This record gives sequence, structure tokens and C-alpha cells, in this order.
Amino acid sequence: EPEVTQTPSHQVTQMGQEVILRCVPISNHLYFYWYRQILGQKVEFLVSFYNNEISEKSEIFDDQFSVERPDGSNFTLKIRSTKLEDSAMYFCASSSSVNQPQHFGDGTRLSIL
Amino acid sequence: GNSVTQMEGPVTLSEEAFLTINCTYTATGYPSLFWYVQYPGEGLQLLLKATKADDKGSNKGFEATYRKETTSFHLEKGSVQVSDSAVYFCALSDRGNYGGSQGNLIFGKGTKLSVKP
Repeated sequence: EPEVTQTPSHQVTQMGQEVILRCVPISNHLYFYWYRQILGQKVEFLVSFYNNEISEKSEIFDDQFSVERPDGSNFTLKIRSTKLEDSAMYFCASSSSVNQPQHFGDGTRLSIL
Repeated sequence: GNSVTQMEGPVTLSEEAFLTINCTYTATGYPSLFWYVQYPGEGLQLLLKATKADDKGSNKGFEATYRKETTSFHLEKGSVQVSDSAVYFCALSDRGNYGGSQGNLIFGKGTKLSVKP
């Protein structure tokens, strides 16, 4: 069964550095999402992406964050000037349409030191 | 705003016990409701869903009924197995009123289930 893949599985970065989290959505999917889960807290929506542009974003997704689909397969989340509170598990998801369920990757655990 | 509340864990059961994980929601309109499961070391997997009131979602022996009058979507299984040990997340989509479409998901905090042999 096709699946969403995320790399790396664990990223350790110094505070203030930039980090790029990578996702390969399922190949025929058109809708892409990022969520995050701070340890012990809820999974929170960050951003949705369709037709090469952001369709919706939460208040968490401020100017520090950006997303990109640089080619036909990858979907990336960039975090500039990371802060300690950015430490979390980041999940990528994709769906073929808004009427179909979202498929999630295994997540990237981001640790900011 | 929209929100999901689910029972605090962890929940520890013996094999073949009956499982209930409570989930209630607050939403405007008519959201779609979901249960996702996360097995150790893996991502979130859709377990079941319901898109309108009185719908029952079911999968792998798990069931949940969309109760609009009580704004609930409790997860149940009649006889749990050790392999059901995982974290279970209740979620809603705030675009559920558009013909069952699924937009951005709003999750509960998750309930960890441990099943002992």
C-alpha cells in the first residue's frame, strides 16, 4: 500500500539554526498538510497546501515557517531561526481530495538544543 | 472554536476485556468525526470515520457512533487484543458539512491503551 514517507526520523538542531523537514506524499495525492505534536500535548494543524499554494494555515504557522513543493514528489517544511519551543513531532499528511481521508507519515522528531 | 476532548489515559486492560474511550466535541456546523490510531514507532493511521449524525464507523472490531445530541463519538471494542495496544486519537474535520469533505483535522490529546495478556 502506498504510504507517506518523512525524513529524517529524528533531527537535532541548535537553537537559531534553520531546519528543513522533508515529506514524500503519496504519488497521486493533491492535498498536503503539516501537523505537529509537542510532547504530551495535542496534535495541532499547521498548514494545508494545494495547487502549489497554501490553502489554510493556523496561528502557529507564522513567518518563521514556510512550505514548498520543490518538485513533483517532495513537500517540505522549513523552520527558520528555530526556538526551543519548536521541539516536537512533525507529521506530514496527504489526501487525494478533500473528500478522502488524510494519510500520515511516521513523523519527524525535532529536538532543538 | 472547534475542539475535541477525550478521556485521559493511560488505559490498561486485560486481553478480551471491553474497551470504551470517550470522546466529545465542540463544533459549529456538521463536522466529520474520526478515530486515528498510532502504534508504537509508527505514524497516525485512520481507524474509522463518520460523516453525519447517527452514522456508525467500524473497522477491525472497533466501532463509534456519531451522536449529535450528546456531541460524542465514543470508541468501543468488545474484546481487545494485545495487538490493540496503541495511542488512540479522536479528531474532527471542520469542513464536514460540505458533503462529508475532510479539511484540516482537530485532534484530541490521545489516549494510550495497554492490553495485558
